[in-house]
Amino acid sequence: LAKTTQPISMDSYEGQEVNITCSHNNIATNDYITWYQQFPSQGPRFIIQGYKTKVTNEVASLFIPADRKSSTLSLPRVSLSDTAVYYCLVSSSGSARQLTFGSGTQLTVLP
Amino acid sequence: IAGITQAPTSQILAAGRRMTLRCTQDMRHNAMYWYRQDLGLGLRLIHYSNTAGTTGKGEVPDGYSVSRANTDDFPLTLASAVPSQTSVYFCASSDTGTGANTVELFFGEGSRLTVL
Repeated sequence: LAKTTQPISMDSYEGQEVNITCSHNNIATNDYITWYQQFPSQGPRFIIQGYKTKVTNEVASLFIPADRKSSTLSLPRVSLSDTAVYYCLVSSSGSARQLTFGSGTQLTVLP
Repeated sequence: IAGITQAPTSQILAAGRRMTLRCTQDMRHNAMYWYRQDLGLGLRLIHYSNTAGTTGKGEVPDGYSVSRANTDDFPLTLASAVPSQTSVYFCASSDTGTGANTVELFFGEGSRLTVL
C-alpha cells in the first residue's frame, strides 16, 4: 500500500494561494490521488482527484508531476472558511480497497 | 437526502461492555468502511467491506468486528470495550464500480465514543 507524507500544519492569510504537497514515493501504476477536506466535528469531504498532470475544479487544482511520486493541492485565494485538515489519499488497485489516509495537514487561514 | 447515517452520535460506555455502532447508507454503494480518528493520528481504517457478504481487516482491526448482511448496513461491534477504544468513529461508503480505481468516499458525521 502506498503511504503518504504531508506537512503537519500550514498557516496562510486570507486571499493568498495555498499549496499543500503530499509525497507518495511508492505509488502504484494504477493508483489515483485523492484529496479530502475535514472540518471539526464533521466527516471528511472529497475535494479533487487525479492521475497525472493537472486537474482543476471549482474548488481546487491538483498538480501531479510525471513521476507521480508527489502531488500538490492548490487552493486559490483562501478564506477563513478554508481552515480545515486536508488529507492526501492514494487509492490501491484490486479488490481489497484498503484506503489509507495520511496524517493530514492542518491549514489555518488567518485574517 | 440522508447519505450516510451513523448512530449514536455520542456514547459514554463502561469498560467491558459490548457496544455496536450503527451505519446505514441509502446510496446503494457496494463498499463500506469504518475508520477511527484520534488526535494526531489522522484516520485509521478498522474494517472494510467491498460488497454485501464480505468483510476485510484494515490497519487497526483488533477488538472490533463487523458484518455486512446487506448493502445498506455495516455495523461495527466492540465486544468488550477498553479505554483505548475511546475515539471518534467514522463510517464511509463508496461506489467502486467494476474494478475502477477512482474512488470517492462519502462519510457520515461520526460517532464519538468514550470508554471509561
